[in-house]
Amino acid sequence: AQSVAQPEDQVNVAEGNPLTVKCTYSVSGNPYLFWYVQYPNRGLQFLLKYITGDNLVKGSYGFEAEFNKSQTSFHLKKPSALVSDSALYFCAVRGHVGGKLVFGAGTILRVKS
Amino acid sequence: NAGVTQTPKFQVLKTGQSMTLQCAQDMNHNSMYWYRQDPGMGLRLIYYSASEGTTDKGEVPNGYNVSRLNKREFSLRLESAAPSQTSVYFCASRAEDTKETQYFGPGTRLLVL
Repeated sequence: AQSVAQPEDQVNVAEGNPLTVKCTYSVSGNPYLFWYVQYPNRGLQFLLKYITGDNLVKGSYGFEAEFNKSQTSFHLKKPSALVSDSALYFCAVRGHVGGKLVFGAGTILRVKS
Repeated sequence: NAGVTQTPKFQVLKTGQSMTLQCAQDMNHNSMYWYRQDPGMGLRLIYYSASEGTTDKGEVPNGYNVSRLNKREFSLRLESAAPSQTSVYFCASRAEDTKETQYFGPGTRLLVL
């Protein structure tokens, strides 16, 4: 069965500093991996995905993620954090049946000015 | 193009009452999903529908029923609400092309007393 782990409940970073939100996965076969962001009282918004190809994936709002097959990781990164990046971030892996997503528990990102 | 819409936005129920959560998408997607979001647990799949006329159980289907009324609409019904069903419910639909992205509605916040 597919699973996703986000080992950090919360990540704190100063504005302008680089940020990393960690994600590891477990899946049989080739993984389809996603990052979503949720702002307060809003639905989830798609940030980026890895299906195949380059290990470094670029997405919305300046975010990128690095797929590492040997470490089964898909960490979310941004070179320079903004206060407006503060939100709840979810990593997800696509299941083999019906396109279902399996989500991690989420990581709260707090960017302080 | 409204994307995925959900009604109501907020609902309070008493234990044992029933209600239906409505979801509609205008992106001509075949696949639709219902998730619940609980603190520290990410999103968990309740039911999904791969196409009009088909529905399948997800990870946490007990206490819920669904109807795929047509290609646009996918409703979630609680026949006899329980306090354990207090949660935020999200509907999503998925693009079948190579984008594989799921698009989420704004959510329904349900409180069962």
